[in-house]
Amino acid sequence: QVQLQESGPGLVKPSETLSLTCTVSGDSISSYYWSWIRQPPGMGLEWIGYIYHSGGTNYNPSLKSRVTISVDMSKNQFSLKMSSVTAADTAVYYCARDPTGGSYWDYWGQGTLVTVSS
Amino acid sequence: DIQMTQFPSSVSASVGDRVTITCRASQGISSWLAWYQQKPGKAPKLLIYVASSLQSGVPSRFSGSGSGTDFTLTISSLQPEDFATYYCQQANSFPLTFGGGTKVEIK
Repeated sequence: QVQLQESGPGLVKPSETLSLTCTVSGDSISSYYWSWIRQPPGMGLEWIGYIYHSGGTNYNPSLKSRVTISVDMSKNQFSLKMSSVTAADTAVYYCARDPTGGSYWDYWGQGTLVTVSS
Repeated sequence: DIQMTQFPSSVSASVGDRVTITCRASQGISSWLAWYQQKPGKAPKLLIYVASSLQSGVPSRFSGSGSGTDFTLTISSLQPEDFATYYCQQANSFPLTFGGGTKVEIK
């Protein structure tokens, strides 16, 4: 059974860097593509980007200048860093598995709420 | 970016009803469309991929159709556990984008 679990601070100050980690169990991170997706409270879904085990990435152009996704194969984890956050970045952040790279997501983490506030 | 428009934005229906949700892409996306179900406080759940392929474990009352710019998700006989918000998502080109969602409510 594939499981994903997000972890990281639930509160980040404006202008600082948001950092989240997704731990994958039941599957090797050396297969598939691994994405971050977010959802502001009461709103729709926005794809942030993905990483492949080789380190190859693809980011949403609207966020690309502020986002870095990395992978740690030894820990079966991948991570998200988003710099210079504002209140508009307050959202539930999900990690998810993409079986083919830019297609759809078949396994999701439960999500973690990150609030940007001083 | 490809814009995805869903309608209606909400629908009230009764258990046993047939429900159809429409998703329109701002340009042709072939069959590169997925549908998700999301319940409050939960992550989205994949229902349909490549427009009409049923994800493993999803009940057969869910079906998807369409290609190009117009797509539909149909629930043939609405069950109590189907009351949720449904999202379409295009996978034709980057950035991957979602529709605004359709909330299926109890009538």
